[in-house]
Amino acid sequence: DGGITQSPKYLFRKEGQNVTLSCEQNLNHDAMYWYRQDPGQGLRLIYYSQIVNDFQKGDIAEGYSVSREKKESFPLTVTSAQKNPTAFYLCASSLSGQGADTQYFGPGTRLTVL
Amino acid sequence: EDKVVQSPLSLVVHEGDTVTLNCSYEVTNFRSLLWYKQEKKAPTFLFMLTSSGIEKKSGRLSSILDKKELFSILNITATQTGDSAVYLCAVVSGNKLVFGAGTILRVKS
Repeated sequence: DGGITQSPKYLFRKEGQNVTLSCEQNLNHDAMYWYRQDPGQGLRLIYYSQIVNDFQKGDIAEGYSVSREKKESFPLTVTSAQKNPTAFYLCASSLSGQGADTQYFGPGTRLTVL
Repeated sequence: EDKVVQSPLSLVVHEGDTVTLNCSYEVTNFRSLLWYKQEKKAPTFLFMLTSSGIEKKSGRLSSILDKKELFSILNITATQTGDSAVYLCAVVSGNKLVFGAGTILRVKS
């Protein structure tokens, strides 16, 4: 089946720890994205990548890091520098990074900092 | 700064009612407007609108875009409990997708 997978579904972290959220797609999409969703707010863009080995900061990149070593994978690391990391994290992909393509979303990872 | 505003923030209706959800936007480089439905997890794609005045339709859902007045509406007729969800409006501005906060729709049986 083609699609986007994210793991884990739920993640608990102690303060001061870095954690990495996985995102994989087998849609052969060039572009991938990470969003954060908080209650009562829209999705906010953390990082995006239009092509392998290249990525750009979104609107709220501070405290996060990414890599794009393979076309199908775009992991997100939430570092200890992120002051309020508890949120729902969504990964998306689109055919190209030209903006006009529909983005398709994974099922999300809910991160809770204890 | 790019901005997308949805209204109302939440809505409760009875099965069979018709609802209209609103989305207005101010962005620097408009390319298209998208509607998504989110039921607890991944937003699922509903419509992409690029041209003014052309209605997109899928079953009981329809949507239209007005690029002069900078807004879009999403209509749902004969609502069902399965329509209960958060409806997200997003605008493609340049290479980025800018989301509104969403409208929470609850359909009571």
